[in-house]
Amino acid sequence: AQTVTQSQPEMSVQEAETVTLSCTYDTSESNYYLFWYKQPPSRQMILVIRQEAYKQQNATENRFSVNFQKAAKSFSLKISDSQLGDTAMYFCAFMSLSTTSGTYKYIFGTGTRLKVLA
Amino acid sequence: DVKVTQSSRYLVKRTGEKVFLECVQDMDHENMFWYRQDPGLGLRLIYFSYDVKMKEKGDIPEGYSVSREKKERFSLILESASTNQTSMYLCASSPMLWDSNNQPQHFGDGTRLSIL
Repeated sequence: AQTVTQSQPEMSVQEAETVTLSCTYDTSESNYYLFWYKQPPSRQMILVIRQEAYKQQNATENRFSVNFQKAAKSFSLKISDSQLGDTAMYFCAFMSLSTTSGTYKYIFGTGTRLKVLA
Repeated sequence: DVKVTQSSRYLVKRTGEKVFLECVQDMDHENMFWYRQDPGLGLRLIYFSYDVKMKEKGDIPEGYSVSREKKERFSLILESASTNQTSMYLCASSPMLWDSNNQPQHFGDGTRLSIL
């Protein structure tokens, strides 16, 4: 069964510094997608960045980048030049289509609460 | 911008009541989802639907049912609410999977449901 593990329940970082959130996953599927979502306090969940498993190049979106290690099944998120507005819960998510059962799978991690300190 | 609207932000119901949570999306998305979010457990998929009148069980369907009579609307039903169903419920939508852009899910604001 697929699993997504976020081992850091809470983290903090000073404004303007860099922080890395870790995520590991387990799957036997060869074709899948990975996402990082951000949920600010009392606000809507939004996509931060995504990575297709078949792409070797790590995705980047402005100050956000991922370190995708397919063999190690690791998908960490790096936030550079942290800003106060980055304070949020961050969820790692996995999506695949099972070639055996024909069903879709959507798995979210338990989240990492990030606090950016002024 | 995609808009996913959940009918209530906060809801308080009593044990044994039948509870309806409504979700509407305005982007003609084929797929719609219901999750519950609990501290320390992340998001867990309850049900999803890939077409009108079609539904698939997620990881925790027990005690819930869903209805999708129209493409834009996906309802979550608690047949007989229990206190362990107190949670934050999130609705999401996405276009058909595996299209060229593979857009991720778009989420509503959530409904915080309390069962007394």
